Parts: sequence; C-alpha cells; structure tokens
Amino acid sequence: NAGVTQTPKFRVLKTGQSMTLLCAQDMNHEYMYWYRQDPGMGLRLIHYSVGEGTTAKGEVPDGYNVSRLKKQNFLLGLESAAPSQTSVYFCASSYSIGNQPQHFGDGTRLSIL
Amino acid sequence: GQSLEQPSEVTAVEGAIVQINCTYQTSGFYGLSWYQQHDGGAPTFLSYNALDGLEETGRFSSFLSRSDSYGYLLLQELQMKDSASYFCAASYSGAGSYQLTFGKGTKLSVIP
Repeated sequence: NAGVTQTPKFRVLKTGQSMTLLCAQDMNHEYMYWYRQDPGMGLRLIHYSVGEGTTAKGEVPDGYNVSRLKKQNFLLGLESAAPSQTSVYFCASSYSIGNQPQHFGDGTRLSIL
Repeated sequence: GQSLEQPSEVTAVEGAIVQINCTYQTSGFYGLSWYQQHDGGAPTFLSYNALDGLEETGRFSSFLSRSDSYGYLLLQELQMKDSASYFCAASYSGAGSYQLTFGKGTKLSVIP
C-alpha cells in the first residue's frame, strides 16, 4: 500500500519555466490537497479538491493551477515559475473533511533560480 | 486569514512530560488537529479534537477548550525519537469553502 506518492522528489527550474507536480493516492480518498512549506511558515494550503472534477482555492493560490481529472490523481501546475515559489510542496489526501486525518506524501523539493 | 499561535521551540528531558500550546481564531472554527514532522519528512497525523476535553492516544494526549480558543498537545514519557516539529492545525468552514490552517510549528528537542 503506497499511500500518497509525489513525483518528482526534487527539481530545479529556471525562472519562467513551467512544470507539473504529480500526486497519486491509492486509498480511494475523496479529498486531496496541495500545500507549500517554507522555513518558519508552517504549511499553507494552495488548492484543494473535494472530489473528481472539482477544485477550490486555498490560502495561497496565486501562480498555481490544479486539476483533478481522476479521483486518485491531483496535479499542481506552475505556468511561469518564479523564485518566490521555491519551496517544499506536499500533497495530502483524506477520506473526508473534518476529523479525518490527512495523509501526506513525502514532498517535492522545488528550487527556482 | 486565520492564524494560530504556538511556541517556536521547546526543550525537554528524556522521560519528562511536555505540553505544547496552541491558540486559534474562532470564526468558522470546528476542530483542531495535531501533526508531527521529523526533519526532512512528511507530516503525520497525531490527533483531532472537535469537542472540549482530552483525547488520549498512547503517550500523546490532546486537549481542546472551545470557550478559550485554546488547545494543547501533551507528550508523556518523552523519548529521543520524539524530537520533531509539532503543528497544530485548525479546521474552518464557511460560505461553502473549507480551510485547514496550520500553525508555524513548535520544534521539540528532547535531551538526555
């Protein structure tokens, strides 16, 4: 049972390049989330999805887009990367919102030069 | 946006008890979670409180007081492996939206 899998684990981009971070979960969870974690800032919610075909904005959505075409996958896109988007990105999933725990992937460490 | 307050660092001795406090804003609040994160690792869920009172899971307990907008995580019989960052996270809802807001984390150092 893999849980939540994120790819890639590390990536270095140049300013202005685009890329997509992939997240897959095998727990049949309805809810999926993308967070970024910066030193001293904790985790901040970028976007989330309450089911296949739905997405919603979180606390820091600017500069990112997401898609949830299949229940098990949640994609995070950076259309034109900026140095301010250098961060560690975590994907998470949960059975429902509320008291259900969120299960996190191992993270993607992204550096933008 | 909503913000949570928790201490940035705590140091405690192996075998001791430590309490990590968290205060949150009340508008739209419906629950408080705690997560543990070791350096370089992913956050892992520890506990959740929706109602006032104490929830116990082994050596870890979590407490919530909705009237005081306050909660804490209690770690007993500290072990060296408990050295990690601990985050409180408050769930908020309203106007058809949802938000889980994390505190900035408390770095716990357990010393011999």
